[in-house]
Amino acid sequence: GQNIDQPTEMTATEGAIVQINCTYQTSGFNGLFWYQQHAGEAPTFLSYNVLDGLEEKGRFSSFLSRSKGYSYLLLKELQMKDSASYLCAVRLINDYKLSFGAGTTVTVRA
Amino acid sequence: DAMVIQNPRYQVTQFGKPVTLSCSQTLNHNVMYWYQQKSSQAPKLLFHYYDKDFNNEADTPDNFQSRRPNTSFCFLDIRSPGLGDAAMYLCATSEVDSGQETQYFGPGTRLLVL
Repeated sequence: GQNIDQPTEMTATEGAIVQINCTYQTSGFNGLFWYQQHAGEAPTFLSYNVLDGLEEKGRFSSFLSRSKGYSYLLLKELQMKDSASYLCAVRLINDYKLSFGAGTTVTVRA
Repeated sequence: DAMVIQNPRYQVTQFGKPVTLSCSQTLNHNVMYWYQQKSSQAPKLLFHYYDKDFNNEADTPDNFQSRRPNTSFCFLDIRSPGLGDAAMYLCATSEVDSGQETQYFGPGTRLLVL
């Protein structure tokens, strides 16, 4: 299997920036997804990184370093509605299944 | 809007009493997945269908079965639920061979076993 590690919890203030790290150990890495999951709801797609570098989508950005087995999700200008769990998931070459990390619960405080 | 629908959202069953959870999709995706997710844990893949081909994960208990009668619908059958089967059950779909192959999730069914 794949070892996917993320911090369990993070807390930040409204308007601030938070960076959620994800490290993975796997062979045959193809790409990495980030999902947002509000309590009691389904995961929703945020981003997909295949190549090294930073991809920006509005307030959210995702970074990947394939050589380091490392990704992060950057949330800027935090809003209360950003309080959720953020899951990273790895996809392998020649496989369409995903392996998920346990998720990072982000709490945004006023 | 195209979507993944799960019914019911909440299901209460008794220990040992069979239960069926349903999932439908309007995305016309060729793969449908069932995940089990317990509190503060990663979603755990139970099995998936690629078109009509069933693919079981090695560590999925025999107590869990699935049916996909057509492209749109997929069912999860728990033959004899135990207390440890209480969890959120997530259905997801993806279109394999489309390039990115993002998985899209339904809202989940929360199962309570009494």
